[in-house]
Amino acid sequence: DSGVTQTPKHLITATGQRVTLRCSPRSGDLSVYWYQQSLDQGLQFLIQYYNGEERAKGNILERFSAQQFPDLHSELNLSSLELGDSALYFCASSRLAGGSYEQYFGPGTRLTVT
Amino acid sequence: AQSVTQLDSHVSVSEGTPVLLRCNYSSSYSPSLFWYVQHPNKGLQLLLKYTSAATLVKGINGFEAEFKKSETSFHLTKPSAHMSDAAEYFCVVSDPRASSYKLIFGSGTRLLVRP
Repeated sequence: DSGVTQTPKHLITATGQRVTLRCSPRSGDLSVYWYQQSLDQGLQFLIQYYNGEERAKGNILERFSAQQFPDLHSELNLSSLELGDSALYFCASSRLAGGSYEQYFGPGTRLTVT
Repeated sequence: AQSVTQLDSHVSVSEGTPVLLRCNYSSSYSPSLFWYVQHPNKGLQLLLKYTSAATLVKGINGFEAEFKKSETSFHLTKPSAHMSDAAEYFCVVSDPRASSYKLIFGSGTRLLVRP
């Protein structure tokens, strides 16, 4: 158990809908990362937050957004969902933002868009 | 720009035989390198990391990896495979100098262990 929690575990929704994925980092970790894992794209970095501020952006669509709250938990919002958004979404956390701090991954949220 | 290439999409070994999962990286500076493992329907678990302290890195569950700058490689090995090692393995690179710590994943190698 990495100490990173994600809810929900599974999510099934229809095209055009909006969903929110939630992540709680390990105790004491200030940085949160979101990744998407799909069969065709593999594992891709979406976005990073550090102590409430956005720190880096990867291949995140404009329909997707995220935030990190004062208690350091993070939410990833996916809107106008398309079939191609079906994937496993991982959250990871690390102690600080840079250097070589390893990231600890949560169990993921499997999103199915029908 | 950084990138990482995992040379085999699938590797099959017999239980008790050595494991070799190959990874080559591309980076214009000394990178941080990691191996993560993903068991079916599970999240990713860190196996080991290289951050320039020592070229031979020991990880969990008997795995180790050697950083070879001249070959730009970071291959993962284990002397004797166990059935529980069957999983997908990801070689990962990042820039230790950056204030943002973005991980770049390889495409993964699926390890099959035959009884």
